[in-house]
Amino acid sequence: SAVISQKPSRDICQRGTSLTIQCQVDSQVTMMFWYRQQPGQSLTLIATANQGSEATYESGFVIDKFPISRPNLTFSTLTVSNMSPEDSSIYLCSVDNGAFFGQGTRLTVV
Amino acid sequence: DQQVKQNSPSLSVQEGRISILNCDYTNSMFDYFLWYKKYPAEGPTFLISISSIKDKNEDGRFTVFLNKSAKHLSLHIVPSQPGDSAVYFCAAIGSNYKLTFGKGTLLTVNP
Repeated sequence: SAVISQKPSRDICQRGTSLTIQCQVDSQVTMMFWYRQQPGQSLTLIATANQGSEATYESGFVIDKFPISRPNLTFSTLTVSNMSPEDSSIYLCSVDNGAFFGQGTRLTVV
Repeated sequence: DQQVKQNSPSLSVQEGRISILNCDYTNSMFDYFLWYKKYPAEGPTFLISISSIKDKNEDGRFTVFLNKSAKHLSLHIVPSQPGDSAVYFCAAIGSNYKLTFGKGTLLTVNP
């Protein structure tokens, strides 16, 4: 099993600013996954982050908007850049291809 | 185009009765299906899964049924308990190993 600590749990941000979300795993993992859940929608995969290489982004998501870091095998960050109200969502990290999720970050952009 | 659909946004049942949560999919390449439970302010928790080579998988009070010809799966919870009240997500995996989720169904179990 894996325990994932995700921070912050929630935040309210001004439009045009950026927010960095952190995920710390209690064990080493090869891949970490970042998801978004917009209000009333399903969880959607943003990107897959491997240590030592650039993240792989899904269709509709770009690195300039959602830069990801993966400095080691237990940690990753997702930045939501130049935020607009449409970015208001829950952001989640996951490991082991969905076997374990962090508690999520509820982001509201005003 | 939503490939995994949970057409019931909510479901309410009495404690002790059966809860049946439904999920339909459109992509015939999906070969593994999962159910997750999510409490408020928490991440989804894996509950139970089923491979496309099976039509039933059981784990305690939870049973998942798969009907491949109908592209339909269901989660049965028997007996339902108030602690089962949560949002339940159906998800599917295909050859790309990526999870595709439904929008979720809010289950409320009334004492």
